[in-house]
Amino acid sequence: NAGVTQTPKFRILKIGQSMTLQCTQDMNHNYMYWYRQDPGMGLKLIYYSVGAGITDKGEVPNGYNVSRSTTEDFPLRLELAAPSQTSVYFCASTATGTSGSGTQYFGPGTRLTVL
Amino acid sequence: AQSVTQPDIHITVSEGASLELRCNYSYGATPYLFWYVQSPGQGLQLLLKYFSGDTLVQGIKGFEAEFKRSQSSFNLRKPSVHWSDAAEYFCAVGAKAAGNKLTFGGGTRVLVKP
Repeated sequence: NAGVTQTPKFRILKIGQSMTLQCTQDMNHNYMYWYRQDPGMGLKLIYYSVGAGITDKGEVPNGYNVSRSTTEDFPLRLELAAPSQTSVYFCASTATGTSGSGTQYFGPGTRLTVL
Repeated sequence: AQSVTQPDIHITVSEGASLELRCNYSYGATPYLFWYVQSPGQGLQLLLKYFSGDTLVQGIKGFEAEFKRSQSSFNLRKPSVHWSDAAEYFCAVGAKAAGNKLTFGGGTRVLVKP
C-alpha cells in the first residue's frame, strides 16, 4: 500500500490564482481530512469527509472548497489564492469502526507559497 | 469544543537523558489521545495512541505515554533520548462521535545536544 499520497509536493502561486491539491489513499478509508500547518504552529482542520459525497467544514474552511466523488480521492481547491494561504497542507485518512479506532494516517504534505 | 495545550514550545535535552513532553486536553467525553512526531520537512508519524484500558501506553521508538484522567493529561516520555529524536512532537485529541476529527496542540520542538 502506498498509504496517503499528495501532489504536488511544492507549489508557488500568485495572488488570485487557483489550484487544486490532490490527495489519494489506497487503504479504503471512509474518513478523509485536510489540515494546514502554519510555521511553528500545530495543524488546523480545513475540511473533512466521512464518505463519498459527504463533506463538512473544519476549523478554518474560508477560501477553500472540497469534493469527494470517490472513496480514494479528496481534492482541496483554492479558488483565489491569498498570501494568508501560504502554508503546508496535509491530507489524512482513517478507517471507521473499532478496528480503525480513529488513527489518522498522514500524507507527506504540500508546501504552498502565495506571492 | 475540544482543545489541546502543549505548554512547552521548545525543549533541549542532552543525548542519553530522559525526556518528558507535557500535554493537557479538554474534552467532554472519553477522548482518544495521540502523539505524533514530525521530522523536519516530513509528514506526521504516529508514535502511540490511547483509546481505553491500560493508562500507560507503549509506542514506537521507545516512547510511552500515561493517560491521567484526573489531570486531563497525556504526557509523553522516553527514558534515554537519541540524537534522532530531535523533531517536533504533537499531541492530539479526537473522538469517534466527532467524525474522528483531531484537534492538535501547538507542538513541542525537541532539540538534542550531543
